[in-house]
Amino acid sequence: DAGVTQSPTHLIKTRGQHVTLRCSPISGHKSVSWYQQVLGQGPQFIFQYYEKEERGRGNFPDRFSARQFPNYSSELNVNALLLGDSALYLCASSLGGTAYEQYFGPGTRLTVT
Amino acid sequence: AQSVTQLGSHVSVSEGALVLLRCNYSSSVPPYLFWYVQYPNQGLQLLLKYTTGATLVKGINGFEAEFKKSETSFHLTKPSAHMSDAAEYFCAVSDPGTYKYIFGTGTRLKVLA
Repeated sequence: DAGVTQSPTHLIKTRGQHVTLRCSPISGHKSVSWYQQVLGQGPQFIFQYYEKEERGRGNFPDRFSARQFPNYSSELNVNALLLGDSALYLCASSLGGTAYEQYFGPGTRLTVT
Repeated sequence: AQSVTQLGSHVSVSEGALVLLRCNYSSSVPPYLFWYVQYPNQGLQLLLKYTTGATLVKGINGFEAEFKKSETSFHLTKPSAHMSDAAEYFCAVSDPGTYKYIFGTGTRLKVLA
């Protein structure tokens, strides 16, 4: 079975632009979470979606938004990009509750110039 | 609020020596605890998890961890280090009430020949 896939792999954007990152979960997984990992730090929780509803949100500004589609894939959108948004964005899928382990994708490396 | 502290951002051990990576958590409710490993330019891979039940948890690649409620710790150990264990290790806690996952800042393990 395919694991979690993310696209694109790398992305370079200019400050002030908008970006959309995509994630496809493992088949059968209904929950998708998004994380931001800045170099040298642990992943920071951004969102969790379950059955197309937002179920958890981390301490990120409203410039960050996400959604989950009927096929359980997900998009993360970031508006008005700042230099500090440069990071590895990780998507993880799981069966549902927080007792379940999360399976991570390889991430999207976003560079804001 | 939940938090995770990983003592030692860098740990070096000789091949064949004991690996001990420390993790302490802060949580107002019984947490779920996880250890993940991240190899360069890859996503995170689950090593093991604790939800309920037996406090000594065995994971993949010979790793294990013990949940000690009195010490609020969940240290990761491996009896004999292998060169392939060199990677970054993250401890994480999840709150069943808020669906948030909190990761530590990570410990980079170096294995010396």
